[in-house]
Amino acid sequence: TQLLEQSPQFLSIQEGENLTVYCNSSSVFSSLQWYRQEPGEGPVLLVTVVTGGEVKKLKRLTFQFGDARKDSSLHITAAQPGDTGLYLCAGDTENSGYALNFGKGTSLLVTP
Amino acid sequence: ETGVTQSPTHLIKTRGQQVTLRCSSQSGHNTVSWYQQALGQGPQFIFQYYREEENGRGNFPPRFSGLQFPNYSSELNVNALELDDSALYLCASSLLAGDYEQYFGPGTRLTVT
Repeated sequence: TQLLEQSPQFLSIQEGENLTVYCNSSSVFSSLQWYRQEPGEGPVLLVTVVTGGEVKKLKRLTFQFGDARKDSSLHITAAQPGDTGLYLCAGDTENSGYALNFGKGTSLLVTP
Repeated sequence: ETGVTQSPTHLIKTRGQQVTLRCSSQSGHNTVSWYQQALGQGPQFIFQYYREEENGRGNFPPRFSGLQFPNYSSELNVNALELDDSALYLCASSLLAGDYEQYFGPGTRLTVT
């Protein structure tokens, strides 16, 4: 059973469009991270959120942590081809010890 | 500041063989975690080492074992390889055990035939 469910699984959009990807769970997370992974590479940390309701911005990327700390979203404004990649959410719960629990990811393709 | 490095990049092994994968942590980080990422999946936690001791383990059999050395580099050993062990193996380092911000290496792609 996947602790974190990500949607959509795949997304193909054109340059300039906006998009939102979601990360949902029935568990409460102490913290949640978003990573981007390119083919053949390791995940690269984008952001960490720890407080319910928290919103963080990283240039054109906006991350939100749900009030109950069970879900998160990533919104990209005016997507560019360089945003192409696999977006993974990961989090730790009270019971997960030192393990990060990852979702399966959202594969994003942005075409010119 | 040196990032996380892993070797080798790619590896092909035969079922039943043993393999050792290596990882050098980011400078200043004393904790290393290993993850297995099968095709189309997110990374799955294998175990974590802190100060040369196993600090936590995911749902992986004992044939997956590890070591951490005094310089905080680490090895992942897998015995009696199975076809399902084919995956990208990722090493991640963090400043402290329990630090939720982990920094990943590029991974080792293992293919078992």
